Amino acid sequence: GENVEQHPSTLSVQEGDSAVIKCTYSDSASNYFPWYKQELGKRPQLIIDIRSNVGEKKDQRIAVTLNKTAKHFSLHITETQPEDSAVYFCAASANTGNQFYFGTGTSLTVIP
Amino acid sequence: DGGITQSPKYLFRKEGQNVTLSCEQNLNHDAMYWYRQDPGQGLRLIYYSQIVNDFQKGDIAEGYSVSREKKESFPLTVTSAQKNPTAFYLCASSTRQGSSYGYTFGSGTRLTVV
Repeated sequence: GENVEQHPSTLSVQEGDSAVIKCTYSDSASNYFPWYKQELGKRPQLIIDIRSNVGEKKDQRIAVTLNKTAKHFSLHITETQPEDSAVYFCAASANTGNQFYFGTGTSLTVIP
Repeated sequence: DGGITQSPKYLFRKEGQNVTLSCEQNLNHDAMYWYRQDPGQGLRLIYYSQIVNDFQKGDIAEGYSVSREKKESFPLTVTSAQKNPTAFYLCASSTRQGSSYGYTFGSGTRLTVV
């Protein structure tokens, strides 16, 4: 089955700096890569996603890049704000079965 | 809110007791999932169901059981065979036609063994 690895497990940045979280996956059949943000005690929320036919996608301060050859994808947050502090999860999925395989999460702290 | 409701929010279980966690969705999603979340271990799949009356084991199904008698409902029973049930449990749903829309998660149930 698919194996998704995520790094780093914790990340602290100063407010206004950028944050980058990286994930790798093992199954070349995976073609959909969502990112979720989970604030303390709350449900994960989808913040951005990318499909395998696209190399990069941006939504305001958040961007995701995908390198299918190397089987890795990354989340980039620019101009970080304290409200960006949360745990972020990457995931990978192939069309078959809709099952998502999640990374182990990155706890991001933005220091004011 | 969000179209998928989990209850209760907090649940306490005594040793040797079975407990059932509720998950209901009104999104008309075909697929539903149960995940367990432990600190530092991310989300681990317990069971999933792509259609009514059918479900599949995930990576950590031992000690758990599910049913899918209605499209809207996917309850999870934590049995006495699950030796370490204290965790945060998340239910999710998605459309079945490809993985285009991601998951919608419930707000979770925090289960504690007392």
